[in-house]
Amino acid sequence: GDSVTQMEGPVTLSEEAFLTINCTYTATGYPSLFWYVQYPGEGLQLLLKATKADDKGSNKGFEATYRKETTSFHLEKGSVQVSDSAVYFCALTPGSRTGKLIFGQGTTLQVKP
Amino acid sequence: NAGVTQTPKFQVLKTGQSMTLQCAQDMNHEYMSWYRQDPGMGLRLIHYSVGAGITDQGEVPNGYNVSRSTTEDFPLRLLSAAPSQTSVYFCASSGWKGGFTGELFFGEGSRLTVL
Repeated sequence: GDSVTQMEGPVTLSEEAFLTINCTYTATGYPSLFWYVQYPGEGLQLLLKATKADDKGSNKGFEATYRKETTSFHLEKGSVQVSDSAVYFCALTPGSRTGKLIFGQGTTLQVKP
Repeated sequence: NAGVTQTPKFQVLKTGQSMTLQCAQDMNHEYMSWYRQDPGMGLRLIHYSVGAGITDQGEVPNGYNVSRSTTEDFPLRLLSAAPSQTSVYFCASSGWKGGFTGELFFGEGSRLTVL
């Protein structure tokens, strides 16, 4: 079945460091891909999305490119801040008629001053 | 600006008890869903609905019931709680513009402990 795999956390970085969180997926068909973020004590929020191969999603300095050839959707940010500390989830939906969003296990990011 | 509202935020149950987690949204979203979040497992879909009177099962539906009598509300019922249902539960909603967009709005979560 369809699935999402993320790199193990926690990831600990110093402020202004470069961030990469790896995400790979397995899916039949043409999924849409997402990154969600969960700040402490809150629900998840959509960070960015991409709906087809080679699309780049971006928001708040974060970027991810839909790579069909490597089945990946890695999250990057050039310079992290303490306020970026959160849990990041990669997710896919197999198609617009399914009503299902499949999440990875989440990666905790801690940014130190 | 309420968005998605879940109640209660915290609940402790004994094994075998029943309860209902409430979820309401004020965005006129057709799609609503329930997820559970467990450490190291991400979020897993329990049940979802694409409109009043329409519900379907997700990945982990056993032990849970849902109904959708109005667009706004989507309660999740635990019929006989088990320790394996100890988790954080999230309700989420979305528009349905000719299909599922995957762009979910989440509530703040309900932490359930079953003893």
